[in-house]
Amino acid sequence: KNEVEQSPQNLTAQEGEFITINCSYSVGISALHWLQQHPGGGIVSLFMLSSGKKKHGRLIATINIQEKHSSLHITASHPRDSAVYICAVSSYNTDKLIFGTGTRLQVFP
Amino acid sequence: ETGVTQSPTHLIKTRGQQVTLRCSSQSGHNTVSWYQQALGQGPQFIFQYYREEENGRGNFPPRFSGLQFPNYSSELNVNALELDDSALYLCASSSLGGVFGELFFGEGSRLTVL
Repeated sequence: KNEVEQSPQNLTAQEGEFITINCSYSVGISALHWLQQHPGGGIVSLFMLSSGKKKHGRLIATINIQEKHSSLHITASHPRDSAVYICAVSSYNTDKLIFGTGTRLQVFP
Repeated sequence: ETGVTQSPTHLIKTRGQQVTLRCSSQSGHNTVSWYQQALGQGPQFIFQYYREEENGRGNFPPRFSGLQFPNYSSELNVNALELDDSALYLCASSSLGGVFGELFFGEGSRLTVL
């Protein structure tokens, strides 16, 4: 069993739909990151969470430390949101990231 | 766009050869981490350098080695290349003890081993 699990693995949506991607982890962490990876390979950091909730534009990320669970929400999805979304957790002291396998999102017009 | 640049962006090597990949860090960051991402998989931690010293290593053999320079840029060296080393190699720049959570990735170096 992976230390970081994401669901779903693949997700398709129509433009405008509300999207939720889930992440569960089984290790102790100092922080959880949501990352976006486009087909070219480059990764962009969307959020870093250690508690509660963060919002940036149409993106919302929440974390429940007790349940070891986080969600990434996209409101009013758009085709440009199509990418792989990766959940990663930081271990203590090193910032070493343990990655989930990612959720491939496709948003159709 | 981040200040983290990786080179080369693509390269092809044959089994048994050696490769050096390079990564510049974001201005103000003192830590570089390297990750290997095989096709269709999530990235796997190779190792991290903090202020020119190795600060954590993942489950990779010794033929994967690294270096960090005084300007905090970094190199990843892989000796005796194997077919399974074909992957996207990503570096991430951060600042231990600095702005917590600020993390920037390079675009990656895609290595193909034939």
